[in-house]
Amino acid sequence: AIRMTQSPSSFSASTGDRVTITCRASQGISSYLAWYQQKPGKAPKLLIYAASTLQSGVPSRFSGSGSGTDFTLTISCLQSEDFATYYCQQYYSYPITFGQGTRLEIK
Amino acid sequence: EVQLVESGGGLVQPGGSLRLSCAASGFTFSSYWMHWVRQAPGKGLVWVSRINSDGSSTSYADSVKGRFTISRDNAKNTLYLQMNSLRAEDTAVYYCARGIEEAFDIWGQGTMVTVSS
Repeated sequence: AIRMTQSPSSFSASTGDRVTITCRASQGISSYLAWYQQKPGKAPKLLIYAASTLQSGVPSRFSGSGSGTDFTLTISCLQSEDFATYYCQQYYSYPITFGQGTRLEIK
Repeated sequence: EVQLVESGGGLVQPGGSLRLSCAASGFTFSSYWMHWVRQAPGKGLVWVSRINSDGSSTSYADSVKGRFTISRDNAKNTLYLQMNSLRAEDTAVYYCARGIEEAFDIWGQGTMVTVSS
């Protein structure tokens, strides 16, 4: 199985900050990568797929980049509603695997 | 409104069985691959199983292979997960999700499965 490793596992930031979360795959996955946001007690929400394609309805302050093994999710200007846990997911091959999650907290 | 609604979760003893359902509405269910994803309390997301649009092809995580069976009824717009020989480590919230290029664009609200004596 392809292992997905996110960094950092958690960190604190302030409203208005620019933040970047990274995701590394244990082998090349082309651009078969998605990012999700999950808030406590809620289902995950798709933010980005195909590494850099913004899902419909997702604010443009979210962006994704990368291909192969290294990927990033960037939030350009943090809003209060962005404090949540973020997961990357590879769908290059089965089994589909997720990163361990990055918890973004308010500083 | 595009929606997925899971049901069927609950408390079951180790070794027991449970069948989860996921009712789809607001989209052409028969056109999409569907998935089950689970999340143990306080833990991350784990993919469980997928089924193609007509039900002819399935895949499973190694941890559930041989114990869980995914199926669908396109006439009823419903996805199922039959779970047998349940273990404590199967305790989780189970989500159904719609696949687009194998990313998951629509998720249900989740149903809790607790395996305990």
